Amino acid sequence: SQQGEEDPQALSIQEGENATMNCSYKTSINNLQWYRQNSGRGLVHLILIRSNEREKHSGRLRVTLDTSKKSSSLLITASRAADTASYFCATDTTGKLIFGQGTTLQVKP
Amino acid sequence: SQTIHQWPATLVQPVGSPLSLECTVEGTSNPNLYWYRQAAGRGLQLLFYSVGIGQISSEVPQNLSASRPQDRQFILSSKKLLLSDSGFYLCAWRTGRNYGYTFGSGTRLTVV
Repeated sequence: SQQGEEDPQALSIQEGENATMNCSYKTSINNLQWYRQNSGRGLVHLILIRSNEREKHSGRLRVTLDTSKKSSSLLITASRAADTASYFCATDTTGKLIFGQGTTLQVKP
Repeated sequence: SQTIHQWPATLVQPVGSPLSLECTVEGTSNPNLYWYRQAAGRGLQLLFYSVGIGQISSEVPQNLSASRPQDRQFILSSKKLLLSDSGFYLCAWRTGRNYGYTFGSGTRLTVV
C-alpha cells in the first residue's frame, strides 16, 4: 500500500533556483524520510526527521514536518544539474518504510 | 564498513521459469532486511521484510516468496515467474528505529 503522496509529480527548474517538493501521508508515523534515486539506480537516503521534530537541515537540504497536517516538504537550495533525480518521501510506521510515488526533478544547466 | 550486495544487476527470464535473487549485508549484525519492487516510473512497493533468521513477513500476496537462511542473507524467490513479476527489485537494510535505510543497487528483472 502507498501512504505518501508527493507533489508535484514532476518539476523542472534552472540551475541555481530552489526546488520544493511536498509529501502528504495518512497515518501516524515514527519518522519521515527522504530518498533520492538517480535513473536506474538504487535509492540513497538523504534525511530523516522524527515525528517530534519540525525542521531539519543537511547541507543544501531543508526538511519540514507538520504532523497536524500530515505533511512534509523538502527544499533543495541553489540547485545544481547534478541534483537531477527522482525524490521520494517515505513514512516509517510500525517498522516498515512505505514510499510515495516520487517527484522527478530536472535541473537545467 | 557497512555494505549491501545485491545480484545480479539485470536478469531476463522466460515466463514459468524459477527466480532467485540474493542480497547480503556486511559490517552489521541482526539487521532488519527488506525487499521492495519498483514498477517503471513508480514508487517502491514493500514485498517482504525480516527482523531475524527465519522470520519473514509478507506485505503483498503474490507469486513471490522470501527466505532468510542466515543473519545477513535475504533471498527472494519464485517457482514460476509471471509477466507481471517484471520490475526493479531492491534490497534494503537498517539497524534500528530512526535510522535511514541502506539500499542495494537493485536487480532489473524482465520476464518475457
